[in-house]
Amino acid sequence: GAVVSQHPSRVICKSGTSVKIECRSLDFQATTMFWYRQFPKQSLMLMATSNEGSKATYEQGVEKDKFLINHASLTLSTLTVTSAHPEDSSFYICSATGQSYNEQFFGPGTRLTVL
Amino acid sequence: AQSVTQPDIHITVSEGASLELRCNYSYGATPYLFWYVQSPGQGLQLLLKYFSGDTLVQGIKGFEAEFKRSQSSFNLRKPSVHWSDAAEYFCAVAPYNFNKFYFGSGTKLNVKP
Repeated sequence: GAVVSQHPSRVICKSGTSVKIECRSLDFQATTMFWYRQFPKQSLMLMATSNEGSKATYEQGVEKDKFLINHASLTLSTLTVTSAHPEDSSFYICSATGQSYNEQFFGPGTRLTVL
Repeated sequence: AQSVTQPDIHITVSEGASLELRCNYSYGATPYLFWYVQSPGQGLQLLLKYFSGDTLVQGIKGFEAEFKRSQSSFNLRKPSVHWSDAAEYFCAVAPYNFNKFYFGSGTKLNVKP
C-alpha cells in the first residue's frame, strides 16, 4: 500500500510558539490530504481537507488562523499550529489519497505537547 | 446526517476466543465502509473495506466483516484472537469520492492471556 510519513513524531514546545508538522506521501501523488486531531481515548476529529494547490477546507469549529494548512505540492502538506497553547496539545494525524486510490492512507501521527 | 456508532467502548476477550466488534452507521447513500486498527501512539492501519459485491469481506490479520444493509451494520469478526490484536479499532464510513471519512468513537480491545 501507499506510504504516508509525518514529521516530527513528537514535539514539545512552549506556549505562544508556532509548530509546523509535515505530512508526506512517499510513493504516490496525494491529490487530497486530510488533517485529524485525536484527543486521548477518543476518535479522530477531521480538522480540514486540502487539495493540492487550493486553500484548505476547514471543518466547523476549527480556527483557520490557528491551524494553518498548506498543500503546496502533490507530496507534501503542512499543518502549522500558531501561537500554541496547552489546550492544543493533542495527537495530530494526517492522511492522503490520490486519484487512483479508493481509500485514505494514514500517517503515524504527531504528538504535540505545549507547555 | 452521517454517523458511525460503535456501541462498545471496551471489550475484553481471552486469547483464542472469538471476537465481534459492532459498528452501525447512518448514511444517506450507499456507504463505503472501513475498519481500521490503531496501536497506542500510532497511526491507523486499514484492516478491510467494503464497497460493493460480496457482503462478507476478508481483511488482513485474519479479520473479516459482514455488511448488513437491513441492519445498517458492518461488524468486525475474528475467529481466534491473538494477544497482538489488543488495540483500538475504528469503524468508518465514506462517500463514493472519499473526500471525507466519518469515524466511530472506537472500541478498545483487551486480550487476556
